[in-house]
Amino acid sequence: AQKITQTQPGMFVQEKEAVTLDCTYDTSDQSYGLFWYKQPSSGEMIFLIYQGSYDEQNATEGRYSLNFQKARKSANLVISASQLGDSAMYFCAMREGQGNNRLAFGKGNQVVVIP
Amino acid sequence: KAGVTQTPRYLIKTRGQQVTLSCSPISGHRSVSWYQQTPGQGLQFLFEYFSETQRNKGNFPGRFSGRQFSNSRSEMNVSTLELGDSALYLCASRSAGENSPLHFGNGTRLTVT
Repeated sequence: AQKITQTQPGMFVQEKEAVTLDCTYDTSDQSYGLFWYKQPSSGEMIFLIYQGSYDEQNATEGRYSLNFQKARKSANLVISASQLGDSAMYFCAMREGQGNNRLAFGKGNQVVVIP
Repeated sequence: KAGVTQTPRYLIKTRGQQVTLSCSPISGHRSVSWYQQTPGQGLQFLFEYFSETQRNKGNFPGRFSGRQFSNSRSEMNVSTLELGDSALYLCASRSAGENSPLHFGNGTRLTVT
């Protein structure tokens, strides 16, 4: 069974607008971590933001914020004020338990920012 | 601080050959893991090393192996290459903090012909 689901098709976003990328997850663990990564065409995976399962506040990192709804098992990424450099694939990932490197990734969302 | 460095960036091999990929983690990171990325299967966890010991392994055949050296550098090896092994192989390192994220390298793109 898939642990991370990202089902949105490719998205075109107007520069300076906000975009929300959906992510739902499946786990029976009480302790887990959720991550968002950006992968531009160069291939490197760039860490954007982290949300722990026990964190009560939604995580924010600059223009990135995470809309964490634990009961619904969703962790949507919001990118505010989109820039051309935001064009990339975006991956949601989950780490079950703590202190390990085993992430389960979703299939990703393609975002293209247009001027 | 230098990021995760992977070499080579590109590799072309023939079916049946073997290949070794190298990864140097961020200085001070002792935990290294490897992922395979393909268009069909997406990103899949291969294995994880910490202090020269394999700590976790994904669901890949025994042809895929790895090791970590005392300086935390890691290598992964794929023997008897198959066409389906063509992929982007990503290495990541992590610091000791419980919630610390993985930091990935640029990857090695392997093409098997």
